Amino acid sequence: NAGVTQTPKFRVLKTGQSMTLLCAQDMNHEYMYWYRQDPGMGLRLIHYSVGEGTTAKGEVPDGYNVSRLKKQNFLLGLESAAPSQTSVYFCASGYTFFGQGANIQYFGAGTRLSVL
Amino acid sequence: GESVGLHLPTLSVQEGDNSIINCAYSNSASDYFIWYKQESGKGPQFIIDIRSNMDKRQGQRVTVLLNKTVKHLSLQIAATQPGDSAVYFCAGVNSGGYQKVTFGTGTKLQVIP
Repeated sequence: NAGVTQTPKFRVLKTGQSMTLLCAQDMNHEYMYWYRQDPGMGLRLIHYSVGEGTTAKGEVPDGYNVSRLKKQNFLLGLESAAPSQTSVYFCASGYTFFGQGANIQYFGAGTRLSVL
Repeated sequence: GESVGLHLPTLSVQEGDNSIINCAYSNSASDYFIWYKQESGKGPQFIIDIRSNMDKRQGQRVTVLLNKTVKHLSLQIAATQPGDSAVYFCAGVNSGGYQKVTFGTGTKLQVIP
């Protein structure tokens, strides 16, 4: 049982390049999230999904796109990378019990992205 | 809007002592509060949660206290061990919609051997 798997673990991009971060979960969770973590700013939500085929904007969505074509996968795309997108990106999945209860999120190990 | 913050950025504790990590929140509508632990180079890991209608919950070596009057919660770790060294986040959860989770910036716990 792998939990939440993110690929790649590290990546260096040049300004203007594009890339896709992959997230896969094997816990059959409905909810999936993409966060970025920057020093002193905590986790900030980029986009999220409440189920297969759905996506929604989070707190800092500009410059990113996402897709959830399969329940177990959530992809984060950078169409034209900028230095401001240098960060550590975390994917998470979660569920609620009968629509109630805390949305406990399970995180991947992160992707460290540098944009030069 | 809601904010969740921690009082201290770094906490140093002697091995074997108890640790107390504090968190303040601003939105009374939060239904749950969750504590996460993040070790260096890893993603956050769930520790314990507490519903807003509770004032205390205990886990294995951890206790979370919630004071709704002053909008404050704390995480207590008993007999702190070197493996407890990490950054600890509190998060407030609003039910409704996708249950928005707001994370604090974290407190770094350093355990002194």
